[in-house]
Amino acid sequence: DMKVTQMPRYLIKRMGENVLLECGQDMSHETMYWYRQDPGLGLQLIYISYDVDSNSEGDIPKGYRVSRKKREHFSLILDSAKTNQTSVYFCASRNNNQAPLFGEGTRLSVL
Amino acid sequence: KTQVEQSPQSLVVRQGENCVLQCNYSVTPDNHLRWFKQDTGKGLVSLTVLVHENDKTSNGRYSATLDKDAKHSTLHITATLLDDTATYICVVGDRGSALGRLHFGAGTQLIVIP
Repeated sequence: DMKVTQMPRYLIKRMGENVLLECGQDMSHETMYWYRQDPGLGLQLIYISYDVDSNSEGDIPKGYRVSRKKREHFSLILDSAKTNQTSVYFCASRNNNQAPLFGEGTRLSVL
Repeated sequence: KTQVEQSPQSLVVRQGENCVLQCNYSVTPDNHLRWFKQDTGKGLVSLTVLVHENDKTSNGRYSATLDKDAKHSTLHITATLLDDTATYICVVGDRGSALGRLHFGAGTQLIVIP
């Protein structure tokens, strides 16, 4: 069963703490994405990964970094989280021209 | 600058009624357009994809059209059900491969009432 799994689903952090969001997929997709979704806005691309250790900045990379050491796993890291990083974060994976598959999201609150 | 605009922002219909959602975009090139359904607190699920000029697709009670000249798409939902309550998101891809960028609209929130 094709699936993108995000952990955790919900997270509360204090400003200045480090945050690690995990994403896994079992379809051996090469391309993976991290987006954030805020009210009234379309999903915004943070980072895109084309394969292991082949990552590119998206439209809003500032304050984020990523790690992809295995094809099936893509992590989003917030070093010293800020309150304006409170959002819902979505991971997706995609193969060629097929529809991207999305995880169910991680709801992050930074207090 | 928003490159994908959806209207209406929100819509309330009674169960059994039909509805039409609109998507206008300025993305260039516009390789394909997808409609996604997002249930509350969930991820996006693809409903349909349109690729060619004047494409029309049908997926059960969902049907969609694409006018590439006008850079406009519509999503029709026929005989709505309570489970159709969700946010519908229009996404334009600028390339056919996974190397391309996806441009997301903010979505139309559809509420179906009994």
